[in-house]
Amino acid sequence: AQSVSQHNHHVILSEAASLELGCNYSYGGTVNLFWYVQYPGQHLQLLLKYFSGDPLVKGIKGFEAEFIKSKFSFNLRKPSVQWSDTAEYFCAVTFNSGYALNFGKGTSLLVTP
Amino acid sequence: EPEVTQTPSHQVTQMGQEVILRCVPISNHLYFYWYRQILGQKVEFLVSFYNNEISEKSEIFDDQFSVERPDGSNFTLKIRSTKLEDSAMYFCASSGPGAGELFFGEGSRLTVL
Repeated sequence: AQSVSQHNHHVILSEAASLELGCNYSYGGTVNLFWYVQYPGQHLQLLLKYFSGDPLVKGIKGFEAEFIKSKFSFNLRKPSVQWSDTAEYFCAVTFNSGYALNFGKGTSLLVTP
Repeated sequence: EPEVTQTPSHQVTQMGQEVILRCVPISNHLYFYWYRQILGQKVEFLVSFYNNEISEKSEIFDDQFSVERPDGSNFTLKIRSTKLEDSAMYFCASSGPGAGELFFGEGSRLTVL
């Protein structure tokens, strides 16, 4: 069955630390990949997306993600986090050009000053 | 910046009652979606809607649920006879041509007692 998994459910980092959040999916066909962020009290916002082309994609606020097809992974990275990055991060995948976004369970990131 | 708006932000209802959640998608968008998130669980796809009909739906979206775009601006989700397990945050989303990036509303929290 198609699924999306995020391995880190809660992450606590100090400001300026580097961030990597894992995302894996299980599906052998065509995928589109997304990372969404939800700041406290706000709606889900798109950080970045991958449809095709360069597997290293850059998003807003200094985030990037790398699609590694052989590992079925789309990990999110940021070299130096800020307190304002405290939020819930969701990996999402569409399978076989469908419209439905399939979300991971989310990772709660807390950045401490 | 255009945004998706949802009402009500929070609704409390008795089991067995009908509930209508309303959404105003971004005006030039063509694809509309409902997702839900039960507390502590994943964001789950319910239904997508295009050209005045359902284009895709999940197993969750059973006969209890219906969607409508009654007047060209609103997009509603109706739950006919609510159950305790329908308690969740319901997110509306819309996307433009090609069903690329989804823009989410802030959610409607439904509590069924």
